[in-house]
Amino acid sequence: SQQGEEDPQALSIQEGENATMNCSYKTSINNLQWYRQNSGRGLVHLILIRSNEREKHSGRLRVTLDTSKKSSSLLITASRAADTASYFCATDGDSWGKLQFGAGTQVVVTP
Amino acid sequence: GAVVSQHPSWVICKSGTSVKIECRSLDFQATTMFWYRQFPKQSLMLMATSNEGSKATYEQGVEKDKFLINHASLTLSTLTVTSAHPEDSSFYICSAIPLAGGREQFFGPGTRLTVL
Repeated sequence: SQQGEEDPQALSIQEGENATMNCSYKTSINNLQWYRQNSGRGLVHLILIRSNEREKHSGRLRVTLDTSKKSSSLLITASRAADTASYFCATDGDSWGKLQFGAGTQVVVTP
Repeated sequence: GAVVSQHPSWVICKSGTSVKIECRSLDFQATTMFWYRQFPKQSLMLMATSNEGSKATYEQGVEKDKFLINHASLTLSTLTVTSAHPEDSSFYICSAIPLAGGREQFFGPGTRLTVL
């Protein structure tokens, strides 16, 4: 079953703008991870945030985690056309290594 | 970095045939690998956990006799879709957790299966 729900389902922005997407989950977690998937390709790991962390940065990515609300957000700043992809959150809970993926947000960045 | 490969990258087969998909960790060992299925424009659904040297554990609703998993070595897991039907057409992705590491998983590039 899917753990996370993501919104928006789709996001269309122009280059240079910021893109924000949210993920909500239902059960307790050890960590939450964000992945990118280009059309028809495998997953690229973007960032992992542990349950005791509230915010994490990696380059143009900023992830927040609010365990009280069971939600996370991914912010991509100064977006580029190459950021066009689907973005998924995945939670790692009690069952070691088993990831539960959210529905994903499809991001389109136009030049 | 940790690299996971899958073979084949795509396969087309006739209904009723069996298809084997390989997942290899190229530069690390993995006692645990995972198999996911992804339908078009949908998310990844975990199918099963592949454990080296022991039986795979399947998620609820996944038929173990239809999706045979063999984790014969620390670098190879195979998924065999037996008696494939058109509804099995999907994108199959594997992931692996390094033996010497934390909980980060590394994903293969996926295999596109089309059953005619």
